[in-house]
Amino acid sequence: EPEVTQTPSHQVTQMGQEVILRCVPISNHLYFYWYRQILGQKVEFLVSFYNNEISEKSEIFDDQFSVERPDGSNFTLKIRSTKLEDSAMYFCASSTTGNYGYTFGSGTRLTVV
Amino acid sequence: GDSVTQMEGPVTLSEEAFLTINCTYTATGYPSLFWYVQYPGEGLQLLLKATKADDKGSNKGFEATYRKETTSFHLEKGSVQVSDSAVYFCALSDPRTGANSKLTFGKGITLSVRP
Repeated sequence: EPEVTQTPSHQVTQMGQEVILRCVPISNHLYFYWYRQILGQKVEFLVSFYNNEISEKSEIFDDQFSVERPDGSNFTLKIRSTKLEDSAMYFCASSTTGNYGYTFGSGTRLTVV
Repeated sequence: GDSVTQMEGPVTLSEEAFLTINCTYTATGYPSLFWYVQYPGEGLQLLLKATKADDKGSNKGFEATYRKETTSFHLEKGSVQVSDSAVYFCALSDPRTGANSKLTFGKGITLSVRP
């Protein structure tokens, strides 16, 4: 069964450093998403991406965050200057219709120290 | 805005016990409702869904009915197995926002099933 692949599974970074989280969506999917879950809290929507541009973003997704689809397969989330409160599990997802039937990756646990 | 509230966890049950996990929602309009499951070390997987009032979603012995009058979508299973141990998330999306509808999640609840 097709999978969404996220790398790395766990990343530790120092506060103020830039970090890039990588995702390979399912090849024929058109819509891409990032969500995050701070430990003990809800899974929160960050951003959706379609046709090479952001479709929607939450208030969490400020100027420190950016997304990119640099080639035909990867979808990345960049955090420019990490803060302690960015520590969370980050999930990438993709879908064909965008309405439901998302396929999620297994997540990247980001720890900012 | 839209929100989803799940019962507090964790939940520990013996094998073959009956499971209910409560989920209520707040939304304008008529959201689509989902249960996602996350097994250890894996991503979120869609377990079941319902898109309109009184719809019942079902999969792998799990069921949930879209109750508009009580704004609820409780997850049930008649006889749980050890392999059902996972984290369960209730979620909704608003179809009015189009094909790119984001999901609004509850906090998730950890289920542990003892042999």
